[in-house]
Parts: sequence; structure tokens; C-alpha cells
Amino acid sequence: DIQMTQSPSSLSASVGDRVTITCRASQGINNFLAWYQQKPGKAPRSLIYAASSLQSGVPSKFSGSGSGTDFTLTINCLQPEDFATYYCQQYSSYPFTFGPGTKVEIK
Amino acid sequence: EVQLLESGGGLVQPGGSLRLSCAASGFTFSSYAVAWVRQAPGKGLEWASVITGSGSNTYYIDSVKGRFTISRDNSKNTVYLQMNSLRAEDTAVYFCAKIASPYCTGGSCEIDYWGQGTLVTVSS
Repeated sequence: DIQMTQSPSSLSASVGDRVTITCRASQGINNFLAWYQQKPGKAPRSLIYAASSLQSGVPSKFSGSGSGTDFTLTINCLQPEDFATYYCQQYSSYPFTFGPGTKVEIK
Repeated sequence: EVQLLESGGGLVQPGGSLRLSCAASGFTFSSYAVAWVRQAPGKGLEWASVITGSGSNTYYIDSVKGRFTISRDNSKNTVYLQMNSLRAEDTAVYFCAKIASPYCTGGSCEIDYWGQGTLVTVSS
């Protein structure tokens, strides 16, 4: 199975900050990586697929990059509604696996 | 507007059974694969099962293989997850998720929409 790791596990940031979250796969996954946002008690929301493509309706403040084993999610100009947990997920090969999540908290 | 509405969750004893349903609307249902993703309380996400748009192909993670069965009725725009021999470790919120293609193969299985989830609690 492909193991996904994320760093940091949590971070504190202020409104207006830019934050970057890193996701690493235990083996190469091409660009078959997605990012999701989840708020407490809510369903995940799809943000990015194919490492860097925005899902419909997702604002351009979110961006993704990377290929192979190393990926990043960047959130520009953090707003109160962006404080949440972010997960990466590989869909290169079964079983499709998620990272453990990165919690973005208000400083 | 794409909508996915799960139902069927609840409290069940270990060894018991439960059937989850995911009723879909807002898209051509038979043209898209659908997955079940679960989340144990306070934990991360786990991809449990997926079924192709036609229903001809399915996939299960090892921990549920032989106990869970995913199916769909394209005439009712509904996907089901029959869960048998339930264990305490199956306790989770189960989310239904629409895949952006009819199939779900390596490299082509992006989730674009999620349902709100239904809670399954396995406890005596």
C-alpha cells in the first residue's frame, strides 16, 4: 500500500497569512493526488485533483503543485472560513489512501 | 445541483448487519462511479469501497472484503452498502462520494462531490 504523510500535523496562522502544507507519498504516484478540506462535523469538500487542478467553484486562493512523491497545497490570504483540516489522497493505485490531515488553526 | 444523501446508519451490535443508502440527484447517475469513504470518530478518512457507473466492477479495502457489499440501482439513482458481521472498528461516519468518471481505476478516480455522511455505531 502507498503511505501518505503530511506536514505539519497542525499549524497556527493569522487571517491574511499564506500557508503551505506538504504531502509525501511512499512511492511515486505521478500527479494522481487530491486535496480536501474538512470542517468539524462536516463532510469533506473537494479542492484539488490531479495535484494542481481546482475543482469547480473552488477559489483561486487555493493552489496545488508537485509530482512523483512530493506535493504541496498553498492557501493564500487565509480567511476565517479557511480554518479547517486538510487531507491529501492518492488515487494512483488501490487501496487509495489519505494522509493523516493537517489542522489549520487561528493564531 | 449535485446532491448525495446518505441514510441507514445507526446503532448495531457486534456481528450485526446494516444497509446504508446513498440517494443521488443533479447528475446522470449511471455515468459516474460512487465510493464509500469512512471516518472513525476523531480519526482520518479511509476509502472503503467503490462501484463503477454500470455496477459491473467493485473494489473493497481488505478490512471489509467478504463482509461488505456495494451495489447500485441506476433506476433509483441509489447506491447501497450492505454491511454484515460488523465489528467495533467499523464504527465511523460513512460518506458517499461521487467520482468524476464512470470508472475508478488508478489515475482516474477523483472525488468531486460528497454527501453529508451517516453515523454507524457498532457496540453492545
